[in-house]
Amino acid sequence: EDKVVQSPLSLVVHEGDTVTLNCSYEVTNFRSLLWYKQEKKAPTFLFMLTSSGIEKKSGRLSSILDKKELFSILNITATQTGDSAVYLCAVELGEYGNKLVFGAGTILRVKS
Amino acid sequence: NAGVTQTPKFRILKIGQSMTLQCTQDMNHNYMYWYRQDPGMGLKLIYYSVGAGITDKGEVPNGYNVSRSTTEDFPLRLELAAPSQTSVYFCASSRGLAASYNEQFFGPGTRLTVL
Repeated sequence: EDKVVQSPLSLVVHEGDTVTLNCSYEVTNFRSLLWYKQEKKAPTFLFMLTSSGIEKKSGRLSSILDKKELFSILNITATQTGDSAVYLCAVELGEYGNKLVFGAGTILRVKS
Repeated sequence: NAGVTQTPKFRILKIGQSMTLQCTQDMNHNYMYWYRQDPGMGLKLIYYSVGAGITDKGEVPNGYNVSRSTTEDFPLRLELAAPSQTSVYFCASSRGLAASYNEQFFGPGTRLTVL
């Protein structure tokens, strides 16, 4: 059974802290790994990772994939209250339909 | 360019009632998906479609039906609503397997309560 596990389930930090969110996976046919941010509405796309060791960066957010150890991390530096959200990790399967298998998400709360 | 739109935003149903959740995308995407999200859980795939006239079951299809008569529209039908179908429903679309950058774009969701 394909599965994606995220950790921690939730965390609370103060503004300015750096956080690392983890995502591990076990799937039969990996195509890519995606990170989404969800703020009480639709998930919004952050990153798509297909190759190991290549960091993707967008402002204070960055992510990297390790296809040998089957995990990815999402880093957020200098956190702000606007970063408070649920962060979802999903693996795209390389088969008919490009289905996504989602983790349960990490709830991040940034306190001012 | 509205992206993916869903109607209604909220709905309360009684047990045994039926309804259709509407989803439309204007990005000319080939692939479309329906997910449900229960509290504290990730998204679970209900049904998906790789093109007009083609639909397939996802992980949790029981109690639902879909159709895809056009590229733009992908309605989800609940025939006999049950409390277990209380959830938030998201529709999504993507370009398709041949695309090199193939992230799924999500609609705003429909919050459904069955009492």
